[in-house]
Amino acid sequence: QVQLQQSGPGLVKPSETLSLTCTVSDGSISLHYWSWIRQPAGKGLEWIGRMYVSGNTKYSPSLKSRVAISLDTSKNQFSLKIHSVTAADTAIYYCARTNTWGSCFDHWGQGTPVTVSS
Amino acid sequence: QSALTQPPSVSGSPGQSVTISCTGASSDVGTYNRVSWYRLPPGTAPKLMIYEVTIRPAGVPDRFSGSKSGNTASLTISGLQAEDEADYYCSSYTSTNTYVFGTGTKVTVL
Repeated sequence: QVQLQQSGPGLVKPSETLSLTCTVSDGSISLHYWSWIRQPAGKGLEWIGRMYVSGNTKYSPSLKSRVAISLDTSKNQFSLKIHSVTAADTAIYYCARTNTWGSCFDHWGQGTPVTVSS
Repeated sequence: QSALTQPPSVSGSPGQSVTISCTGASSDVGTYNRVSWYRLPPGTAPKLMIYEVTIRPAGVPDRFSGSKSGNTASLTISGLQAEDEADYYCSSYTSTNTYVFGTGTKVTVL
């Protein structure tokens, strides 16, 4: 059973860059798409974007200008960066694996609460 | 891409059935069978409950079932149990190669 372990700071200052990492427990990082998803307090889930080992990435149009997802197969990790953050980026951030057919998110990280505040 | 529409809340007594609707558009739910459902218990990782409209992953009780008609997908929980109380979200693949989630539904067991 694959496990996704998230890491990264829980507090980021406005205008700075939010950075989170997700470590995949097995060797499947080269076999799937990997996504980031967030949930602002009191709101629903929002898909941020996904990446495949080939470098193929796709981002939500609403965040595309500020987001970058990268993948490091040597470390079995993928990462999220959101630049120029504001209070609106305060949320619980989840990493997730997309299944082979791209039809669902079948494994999730535990979630990282991130607050944007000075 | 607008969020899929779900009722804010549904409730039922133990043993009853509840159904959560998830309404999208022809650019997502209406065209693709890549509709999935997730349970979000407080403080823990989301759990996949249904994928590709009707398929239950291993370990999900058969009390959970999914369906779709037109632009609306549904999740039915039969034989409601106290442990089913949680927030549930639907999701769909879209025509722009992105994913969209529903607005979320709180299931309450009376």
